Amino acid sequence: KAGVTQTPRYLIKTRGQQVTLSCSPISGHRSVSWYQQTPGQGLQFLFEYFSETQRNKGNFPGRFSGRQFSNSRSEMNVSTLELGDSALYLCASSLELASNEQFFGPGTRLTVL
Amino acid sequence: AQSVTQLDSQVPVFEEAPVELRCNYSSSVSVYLFWYVQYPNQGLQLLLKYLSGSTLVESINGFEAEFNKSQTSFHLRKPSVHISDTAEYFCAVKRVGSEKLVFGKGTKLTVNP
Repeated sequence: KAGVTQTPRYLIKTRGQQVTLSCSPISGHRSVSWYQQTPGQGLQFLFEYFSETQRNKGNFPGRFSGRQFSNSRSEMNVSTLELGDSALYLCASSLELASNEQFFGPGTRLTVL
Repeated sequence: AQSVTQLDSQVPVFEEAPVELRCNYSSSVSVYLFWYVQYPNQGLQLLLKYLSGSTLVESINGFEAEFNKSQTSFHLRKPSVHISDTAEYFCAVKRVGSEKLVFGKGTKLTVNP
């Protein structure tokens, strides 16, 4: 079974631009969560989707948004990029909502110049 | 709300020496506990988890962790480390019934020859 895939793996943008990151969960998994990893703040929860609905949201500004499609694939969007948005964005999938195990993808490394 | 404290940001050890990575958590509700490992330029891999039952949990590669409710700790141990164990280790908690993981800041384990 293929693992969680994230595209692109690396991305360079400039301040003010917007970016869309994609996550394909493990086949059969219906829950997708997103995390931001930075050296200063560590790993922080962004949001969680199940059945195309956002179930939980972390403490991030409205510039961060996401969605989930009927095939469970998810995208997250960051608008009006700031230098501080440079981070590794990790996606995790699990079989059901509030399951006991999440599987993480390799992440998308976003650099904002 | 839950929080996780990993007491050591960096732990250098020699090969074949024992190691303990410390993790303390704070929560007013029941939680599940996890240890994840992150190798350079990769996502997170689940190392082991405590859900219920025996307080001592083991991974397939020789790591173990013990849940101590009175001390709110979930320290990770390995009796003899290998060079290949060099990585960053993250302790995480999840409220029972939630998908959101709350991570500690991580401990970088460096195994020297």
